[in-house]
Amino acid sequence: DTGVSQDPRHKITKRGQNVTFRCDPISEHNRLYWYRQTLGQGPEFLTYFQNEAQLEKSRLLSDRFSAERPKGSFSTLEIQRTEQGDSAMYLCASSPYGGGNIQYFGAGTRLSVL
Amino acid sequence: GENVEQHPSTLSVQEGDSAVIKCTYSDSASNYFPWYKQELGKRPQLIIDIRSNVGEKKDQRIAVTLNKTAKHFSLHITETQPEDSAVYFCAASPANYINTGTASKLTFGTGTRLQVTL
Repeated sequence: DTGVSQDPRHKITKRGQNVTFRCDPISEHNRLYWYRQTLGQGPEFLTYFQNEAQLEKSRLLSDRFSAERPKGSFSTLEIQRTEQGDSAMYLCASSPYGGGNIQYFGAGTRLSVL
Repeated sequence: GENVEQHPSTLSVQEGDSAVIKCTYSDSASNYFPWYKQELGKRPQLIIDIRSNVGEKKDQRIAVTLNKTAKHFSLHITETQPEDSAVYFCAASPANYINTGTASKLTFGTGTRLQVTL
């Protein structure tokens, strides 16, 4: 499968715990996006990387959230001290340079905070 | 920032009929408008997109129209089939259609659940 890969697909955690998700973009896509999707809603933008540089962050990304893309390839999204309101599907997308912003999505990581 | 509204939230059509989903956007800087199809438990898949330099685009049974003056765009599906049943999302972005490498976030609508009945 040469599409965007996300791991894990599902994560159940207790409130207050830290969680980390991983996204592997399509090979040679230098742009990587994180979105959050709650039930019945469209994806909401969280943050965006061009290569290893984090260029934009949404106000939705509180100080409990941190994202990295250390070598410009895969990315991680960490949520510290999870809250029940963090329960959602976390989607990753990638886009090639010069691709006119066509974004290809992964299947997402579904987080449930108990 | 950009705000995208999508209607209707649910749509039920009989197999073979046409389906139309409408979206409006607020930011006049937006010039890239993709449509995604999301089946239950699966990733959003790009089905068609349109840029502001064209008014209409077709791909087999799917077409998208754009009215920049009114700031609205629509998805048209003809000869619907049961496999068209899914949630459809519109989105808007101020990406540069000249393909110079500008990239930007997508702002999505709230989705339309399309049900195609036999």
